[in-house]
Amino acid sequence: NAGVTQTPKFRVLKTGQSMTLLCAQDMNHEYMYWYRQDPGMGLRLIHYSVGEGTTAKGEVPDGYNVSRLKKQNFLLGLESAAPSQTSVYFCASSSRRTGTLYNEQFFGPGTRLTVL
Amino acid sequence: AQKVTQAQTEISVVEKEDVTLDCVYETRDTTYYLFWYKQPPSGELVFLIRRNSFDEQNEISGRYSWNFQKSTSSFNFTITASQVVDSAVYFCALYTTDSWGKLQFGAGTQVVVTP
Repeated sequence: NAGVTQTPKFRVLKTGQSMTLLCAQDMNHEYMYWYRQDPGMGLRLIHYSVGEGTTAKGEVPDGYNVSRLKKQNFLLGLESAAPSQTSVYFCASSSRRTGTLYNEQFFGPGTRLTVL
Repeated sequence: AQKVTQAQTEISVVEKEDVTLDCVYETRDTTYYLFWYKQPPSGELVFLIRRNSFDEQNEISGRYSWNFQKSTSSFNFTITASQVVDSAVYFCALYTTDSWGKLQFGAGTQVVVTP
């Protein structure tokens, strides 16, 4: 199993350009997440999905859109990139929560995005 | 609201010294989970430990140990006899049962171990 994979690993954009980051998981997980990591701020949740066809906003959703058309894929889109979106992006997935139990989140390797 | 505070931005030690990383959390939930992740220079996130709010027993795993104290809302992490390979950013994170599986991360502590 590959676990959680992210495409691409690195990308440089100019301000105003658009792009899509792809996250794929082969663990049949229901829940998927997109985080961004910035120096001194840890990881912050951008958007998440609790099932195919459903998405929800996280802590820092502005400037991003997401789609979950297939259970195994979670796409993060930047319609008009800005320098403030320069960051490292992590995708994660987990199985459906049972009651109050926690199911571990598995993280992808990250995508380093620079917006000039 | 949930919050995780890692007050130490960077800790520098010489190899074989012990290093303790502080983590203080805030939550109103009675059921929650706490985590430590390691992020080495290669960038991936490595899961180290998970504790739930009903288990305050301290834990030791090799050179790693964790001290969970609900009375002070702290979940501190100690590396004993540090090694250069321990150089990384360490994140503390909180999961509460009303948050659809979302993790609240602290800002991270950079650990630098020099030979």
